[in-house]
Amino acid sequence: ETGVTQSPTHLIKTRGQQVTLRCSSQSGHNTVSWYQQALGQGPQFIFQYYREEENGRGNFPPRFSGLQFPNYSSELNVNALELDDSALYLCASSFGSFEGEQYFGPGTRLTVT
Amino acid sequence: GENVEQHPSTLSVQEGDSAVIKCTYSDSASNYFPWYKQELGKRPQLIIDIRSNVGEKKDQRIAVTLNKTAKHFSLHITETQPEDSAVYFCAASPGYGQNFVFGPGTRLSVLP
Repeated sequence: ETGVTQSPTHLIKTRGQQVTLRCSSQSGHNTVSWYQQALGQGPQFIFQYYREEENGRGNFPPRFSGLQFPNYSSELNVNALELDDSALYLCASSFGSFEGEQYFGPGTRLTVT
Repeated sequence: GENVEQHPSTLSVQEGDSAVIKCTYSDSASNYFPWYKQELGKRPQLIIDIRSNVGEKKDQRIAVTLNKTAKHFSLHITETQPEDSAVYFCAASPGYGQNFVFGPGTRLSVLP
């Protein structure tokens, strides 16, 4: 079992609201990547944080934003929630941004109504 | 950008048989290829990976092969067991680890 944890486990929000998801990386890891996984699909890369800086971004609008803290934990913030934002949000931690093996957390299931 | 295709989308095999899942990628800069197993309601788990300087890698009943020229890589599971039943995802990374592109997944069912 990896050391990556996420909170909360489940979340229900209303369209237009804002949400913050949290991720604690595995001990010794300094990189956190966030993914959105819609039902029946593979994870889609949102962005990565390496040593507290955004280190790459996928095809997601600016209302998806993030932070990484000095202890390498991370937050994903989503503003102006839309129904299509309903998905499993996964974070993955790794050591270094270069070809580091990524280990996933259990995910946060977000439902937007 | 990178695009990863994966086939088949579903695969059923008898217990003890072998299973093969194939992925193709488009970006020749990709040089890291992990495979993840995701059981229902659980997190994706890294089961094996391969880097572009290696053509094949094996770990017990699981092996991965890579053909850089053809831009495809495959997962091979031998002597399948019911607990191998899950969704398997391949992924490709351009080598700076910041953008894993995942395939759409293969649902493997191992029938007892």
